[in-house]
Amino acid sequence: EAGVAQSPRYKIIEKRQSVAFWCNPISGHATLYWYQQILGQGPKLLIQFQNNGVVDDSQLPKDRFSAERLKGVDSTLKIQPAKLEDSAVYLCASSPGASGGPETQYFGPGTRLLVL
Amino acid sequence: KQEVTQIPAALSVPEGENLVLNCSFTDSAIYNLQWFRQDPGKGLTSLLLIQSSQREQTSGRLNASLDKSSGRSTLYIAASQPGDSATYLCAAYTSGTYKYIFGTGTRLKVLA
Repeated sequence: EAGVAQSPRYKIIEKRQSVAFWCNPISGHATLYWYQQILGQGPKLLIQFQNNGVVDDSQLPKDRFSAERLKGVDSTLKIQPAKLEDSAVYLCASSPGASGGPETQYFGPGTRLLVL
Repeated sequence: KQEVTQIPAALSVPEGENLVLNCSFTDSAIYNLQWFRQDPGKGLTSLLLIQSSQREQTSGRLNASLDKSSGRSTLYIAASQPGDSATYLCAAYTSGTYKYIFGTGTRLKVLA
């Protein structure tokens, strides 16, 4: 079974520029998550989708971050404009259940973003 | 508000040692607790998931225990190997937040 795919793997941009990340979850997984992991910290949930609906986006900085899940499959996360403090690894994860409950999540390799 | 702490932040041991990684959480109202492994430049891999009704889970050389009353979980690694070198993260799924709250991780290095 193919795992969670993410692209690009690395991205370097200047502050105030925009950037987009893409995630393709494991086939058939109903729930998709985007996490932000700042160096030396644990991942922090930014947004959770169930199929193509948003379940939790309480920690998403909505003035600059946006995310969508196309037809309940692929997802994109966008930052516009980027700030220095957005430098982090952005992890995408998926889980099979439609309830988005306490089940095992499968993580992609992440996109490492550096904002200069 | 759930807070998850992992001690130590870093650990270096010789090959063959048995070791214990610690995870503490402030809110005992959890559904489960997971231990993950993260290799440099890679995502997280789930190692063990302990349901709130369970005391421990085992997989190969790994054993994780959960004590909700004291707000602690430990990950025991037997006969450590250089291939075990990675960062180990614990995450608690809390009834109040309905999401996983992660600790900051323990960076383990096993020396050959």
